Amino acid sequence: DTAVSQTPKYLVTQMGNDKSIKCEQNLGHDTMYWYKQDSKKFLKIMFSYNNKELIINETVPNRFSPKSPDKAHLNLHINSLELGDSAVYFCASSQGRGLSGNSPLHFGNGTRLTVT
Amino acid sequence: KQEVTQIPAALSVPEGENLVLNCSFTDSAIYNLQWFRQDPGKGLTSLLLIQSSQREQTSGRLNASLDKSSGRSTLYIAASQPGDSATYLCAVLRMDSSYKLIFGSGTRLLVRP
Repeated sequence: DTAVSQTPKYLVTQMGNDKSIKCEQNLGHDTMYWYKQDSKKFLKIMFSYNNKELIINETVPNRFSPKSPDKAHLNLHINSLELGDSAVYFCASSQGRGLSGNSPLHFGNGTRLTVT
Repeated sequence: KQEVTQIPAALSVPEGENLVLNCSFTDSAIYNLQWFRQDPGKGLTSLLLIQSSQREQTSGRLNASLDKSSGRSTLYIAASQPGDSATYLCAVLRMDSSYKLIFGSGTRLLVRP
């Protein structure tokens, strides 16, 4: 099936650990994103890559580091996890930065991160 | 700074009703406005995308309008069904080099059988 897939779906870990979330899209899109959805359901952009180039880098702690090995993959590595990092993280993709009516954002199903 | 507000935060209606969800944004300099649906434990599904030059878009029982000058959009759902129960989010794509999509906090819709 064509989709944006991210793994794992759930991630429970302790403070101070380092973890990664993987994302892959097979839609042929050239732009990928990481969003964070907090407990109040607000979605905020964290990073965006276009053709493996970082184009959006919001004010997030530098403990968060995205890596894009190719335009179909965008992984998120988080160092020294903190309680406040607990949230649902969504990967998404679009073609051409989502400017056209033919390419809205396509989202993965999210990774629920719980830091204890 | 672009802010997106959705009212109401929650809505409960009986099956078969027509309903309207509202979205407002503070800066009219946008490329487009998108409506999404989010089911519990799932990602967002794109419903409709309205370009800044357009006034409305339709898909099945859904109709979205855009009034850029007043900073408003509505999502009209005709003949609502229990399967429409979900959270509906609107988002605007800022017309600057950031290409950032700014989301509202959503309207949680419950359609009662």
